[in-house]
Amino acid sequence: AQSVSQHNHHVILSEAASLELGCNYSYGGTVNLFWYVQYPGQHLQLLLKYFSGDPLVKGIKGFEAEFIKSKFSFNLRKPSVQWSDTAEYFCAVNAKAGTALIFGKGTTLSVSS
Amino acid sequence: GAGVSQTPSNKVTEKGKYVELRCDPISGHTALYWYRQSLGQGPEFLIYFQGTGAADDSGLPNDRFFAVRPEGSVSTLKIQRTERGDSAVYLCASSTSFGEGTDTQYFGPGTRLTVL
Repeated sequence: AQSVSQHNHHVILSEAASLELGCNYSYGGTVNLFWYVQYPGQHLQLLLKYFSGDPLVKGIKGFEAEFIKSKFSFNLRKPSVQWSDTAEYFCAVNAKAGTALIFGKGTTLSVSS
Repeated sequence: GAGVSQTPSNKVTEKGKYVELRCDPISGHTALYWYRQSLGQGPEFLIYFQGTGAADDSGLPNDRFFAVRPEGSVSTLKIQRTERGDSAVYLCASSTSFGEGTDTQYFGPGTRLTVL
């Protein structure tokens, strides 16, 4: 069965620090990969996605993620975080379009100003 | 344009009662998904509709849970004989679906269900 692991449960950073959130998935075939973000009091929003092509994908608000197929990883990065990046981040995968997303447990990011 | 909407935003009920949760997807989206998110967990898949039919209901935990989408737009998730363990945030998502590289699911704000 597919599964997604997010290594960090809670990350605490100061503003301007660099961010990397780990995500590994378990599935042998072709996958679509996503990062969603949930800001306090708001609903899940898409941050970025990977379907095919360039394994380095750029999303909104300066976030990027790199798909490394050999490591089954899709880590999220941002070179310099802001206080407004405080949120919960979820990595998700599905096997193909039109199927259910499998989510990780999420990582809570707290950024202090 | 308008996003996915869900009503009610909060629902408190007593153990054993019946509840209905409504989802109104983005206009034109043919695919609709229901997920459940418990505290400290990521969303877990319940059921997926393509048009009016349930294409995959493998995530429904038991036969107390049922969902419909009679006209291919609004969907209702129905829970019979609610139990305290059903307490969670129920999320709905929709997408245009079909075609590799085109299926992105957009989520609604969720309904927080509390079973006392």
